[in-house]
Amino acid sequence: SQQGEEDPQALSIQEGENATMNCSYKTSINNLQWYRQNSGRGLVHLILIRSNEREKHSGRLRVTLDTSKKSSSLLITASRAADTASYFCATAIIQGAQKLVFGQGTRLTINP
Amino acid sequence: SAVISQKPSRDICQRGTSLTIQCQVDSQVTMMFWYRQQPGQSLTLIATANQGSEATYESGFVIDKFPISRPNLTFSTLTVSNMSPEDSSIYLCSVGQTGPATEQYFGPGTRLTVT
Repeated sequence: SQQGEEDPQALSIQEGENATMNCSYKTSINNLQWYRQNSGRGLVHLILIRSNEREKHSGRLRVTLDTSKKSSSLLITASRAADTASYFCATAIIQGAQKLVFGQGTRLTINP
Repeated sequence: SAVISQKPSRDICQRGTSLTIQCQVDSQVTMMFWYRQQPGQSLTLIATANQGSEATYESGFVIDKFPISRPNLTFSTLTVSNMSPEDSSIYLCSVGQTGPATEQYFGPGTRLTVT
């Protein structure tokens, strides 16, 4: 069964707006990683956040992690049409083994 | 990050046949994994490919159906055996290094359609 749930399942916004996607998980984690997938192709790694971190930034991306609530969020600022994709969170629940358990994903559409 | 290639990128196969998917990395990695992504779904881990020993399979996946090889630190294969239409999916390999928290990178995937 999937570890995480993502919300919303689909999100449609106008270009230039900010997009926020949320991920919840069930068990204690070592780290959480966010990925982007365009049209059923391979996954692009976006950000890894460790369990002892609360926030990370990478360009227009900001990821937060709240281990007390077992949740994470991905914020994309100033969205562009090229950001249209599916976004997945994945949790690594065993230190060293690095097996990832994926959420169901959020389908993001940026309208020009 | 590692550069990962997969062959074939896509294939259409008849039921009852087998297909072997190759995953090649441009640098040595300690961890290699195989995932399946069924149409419209998220990714599910099939197994961890162990160098020089049998792969470690997740619940619901068995070696007879998905035999895996990993002869060295840069290469692995996944075979989908005795295929049925239910095996139509994208199969992705991923790589990472052991450590407290390390990124895992994915190949471009192999889109398999079974008719």
